[in-house]
Amino acid sequence: KNQVEQSPQSLIILEGKNCTLQCNYTVSPFSNLRWYKQDTGRGPVSLTIMTFSENTKSNGRYTATLDADTKQSSLHITASQLSDSASYICVVPNGGATNKLIFGTGTLLAVQP
Amino acid sequence: EPEVTQTPSHQVTQMGQEVILRCVPISNHLYFYWYRQILGQKVEFLVSFYNNEISEKSEIFDDQFSVERPDGSNFTLKIRSTKLEDSAMYFCASSGGGGRNNEQFFGPGTRLTVL
Repeated sequence: KNQVEQSPQSLIILEGKNCTLQCNYTVSPFSNLRWYKQDTGRGPVSLTIMTFSENTKSNGRYTATLDADTKQSSLHITASQLSDSASYICVVPNGGATNKLIFGTGTLLAVQP
Repeated sequence: EPEVTQTPSHQVTQMGQEVILRCVPISNHLYFYWYRQILGQKVEFLVSFYNNEISEKSEIFDDQFSVERPDGSNFTLKIRSTKLEDSAMYFCASSGGGGRNNEQFFGPGTRLTVL
């Protein structure tokens, strides 16, 4: 069954610190992996999309890595800000021709002053 | 910057009533989706729609659900006879292409509460 798992479930860090969120997926065939940021009560907003040939991709203070061999990805947030407090969701399109997205359960990040 | 919009932001209804959730996708997009997120759970795919017909639907999308593009701008999700377990956030998304590498843009969601 195609699944996306994330860890940790939740994380509390102090403003200015860095953190790394993890994602494991079992989707085949694999095309790409996305990281979304979801503020409470809002829709997901895309941070990065990585295809199987990309190992690292940055978007400002966000850096995503992908290891297609081990089917793992990470999202590193540098110099965290209070506004980074949100749920970070790892998403992979379902295998095959469909564009249906498989969502992970997300990591709830709280950045404290 | 173009964005997906959804109305209403919050809908409260009685069990057994019909509700229509509305979405205005990004104007030049051709592929449309509905997802839902029950409180505390992951976002789940409901249905995809292209060229005025359903491309794919999940097992959640049973006969009580229907989708429609009634005009050139709106995309609606109708739930015919709501149940308590339909309470969730419903997200509309759209994309310019239907391929697996095409980005989907999500609306802010409609919170549906069934009493």
